[in-house]
Amino acid sequence: AQSVTQLDSHVSVSEGTPVLLRCNYSSSYSPSLFWYVQHPNKGLQLLLKYTSAATLVKGINGFEAEFKKSETSFHLTKPSAHMSDAAEYFCVVSDRGGSNYKLTFGKGTLLTVNP
Amino acid sequence: NAGVTQTPKFQVLKTGQSMTLQCAQDMNHEYMSWYRQDPGMGLRLIHYSVGAGITDQGEVPNGYNVSRSTTEDFPLRLLSAAPSQTSVYFCASRLGDSPLHFGNGTRLTVT
Repeated sequence: AQSVTQLDSHVSVSEGTPVLLRCNYSSSYSPSLFWYVQHPNKGLQLLLKYTSAATLVKGINGFEAEFKKSETSFHLTKPSAHMSDAAEYFCVVSDRGGSNYKLTFGKGTLLTVNP
Repeated sequence: NAGVTQTPKFQVLKTGQSMTLQCAQDMNHEYMSWYRQDPGMGLRLIHYSVGAGITDQGEVPNGYNVSRSTTEDFPLRLLSAAPSQTSVYFCASRLGDSPLHFGNGTRLTVT
């Protein structure tokens, strides 16, 4: 079985300061991991994905995430927050060795960016 | 370059009414799925399909039916709407282990 835990339901930062959104996962197989972003009243957009290549993954809009197998973590970071980053972020795990078709979503982290 | 198209965008139903949420994709993805999104709950899988003629239940299937007669279409049916089904519904598709492509959602209110 697989699961995802987003450790913070809400993160608040000031514009220009670093962003850290934390995600831990469990997986019976070698996982694929994704981060999605959802702006208010919009659908979900892919930020980045990890599929067993480089452990440091770069995504869109300056975001990146590092896969750490020993810590079962896939935290999302950005060096400097922008007002447009305010949104909800979802960490997603997909087992690639077992049933390849079920993805598990975290409950989301709401990012607030203060001017 | 339509991607995943959901209709309608908004719907209000009375308890006991039935309706179908439509989902179509033009990317030849074999996998399609329906999620519901509720505050603080993230996205929960309702039903999914790995190809035409094949469907399976997800985490919260009760009260919903699906069918997959073509690769392109994956409608979600509410047979007898209940207030607990008030939610935002997302259709998503993928090819193999690629990321999910999402539609823009349907906001459903059941009174």
